[in-house]
Amino acid sequence: QVQLQESGPGLVKPSETLSLTCAVSGYSISSGYYWGWIRQPPGKGLEWIGSIYHSGSTYYNPSLKSRVTISVDTSKNQFSLKLSSVTAADTAVYYCVGNGGGGGEGALDYWGQGTLVTVSS
Amino acid sequence: DIQMTQSPSSLSASVGDRVTITCQASQDISNYLNWYQQKPGKAPKLLIYDASNLETGVPSRFSGSGSGTDFTFTISSLQPEDIATYYCQQYDNLPRLTFGGGTKVEIK
Repeated sequence: QVQLQESGPGLVKPSETLSLTCAVSGYSISSGYYWGWIRQPPGKGLEWIGSIYHSGSTYYNPSLKSRVTISVDTSKNQFSLKLSSVTAADTAVYYCVGNGGGGGEGALDYWGQGTLVTVSS
Repeated sequence: DIQMTQSPSSLSASVGDRVTITCQASQDISNYLNWYQQKPGKAPKLLIYDASNLETGVPSRFSGSGSGTDFTFTISSLQPEDIATYYCQQYDNLPRLTFGGGTKVEIK
């Protein structure tokens, strides 16, 4: 059974960098087509942050591109998100996601449980 | 950017009712559309992929149809456990992913 688990600080100060890690179990991260991050502000909808493909290529939401970095550590079977210069608008539940199941190349088959990150001083 | 417009934003229906949600893309996305269910406090779950394919293990009362710009998601007989918010998601311009605004389904 594939499981994704986010970890990282739940509180980040404005202007600092948000850092989250997603540990993948039950599946080799090298086998998946792509992995990524989705966020959801409280009471709002879903926003794609970015993805990293098995090739190592990364793609980011243009609205966040200047502040986002996604990386993979295959030795630890995990991937990470860094979002710099955060503001209150970055307060959200952050989900790590993966594609690699039977749902086709555009489907997010795997989701972490989500972690709430609050930006506040 | 491709915009996804979902309607209605919320609905209330009785147990056993047929429920229909629509999703309209701002341009032709072929069948590159998925549907997710998100229960309160939980992560979204993939229900339908490529517009009409039922994900393994998903009850057959859920279905999807459409292509091009207009898509429909249907629950043939609403059950109490179907209370959730449903999202469409396009991937025509993969790797970019775009979600609809969501439809909150409640029991009347």
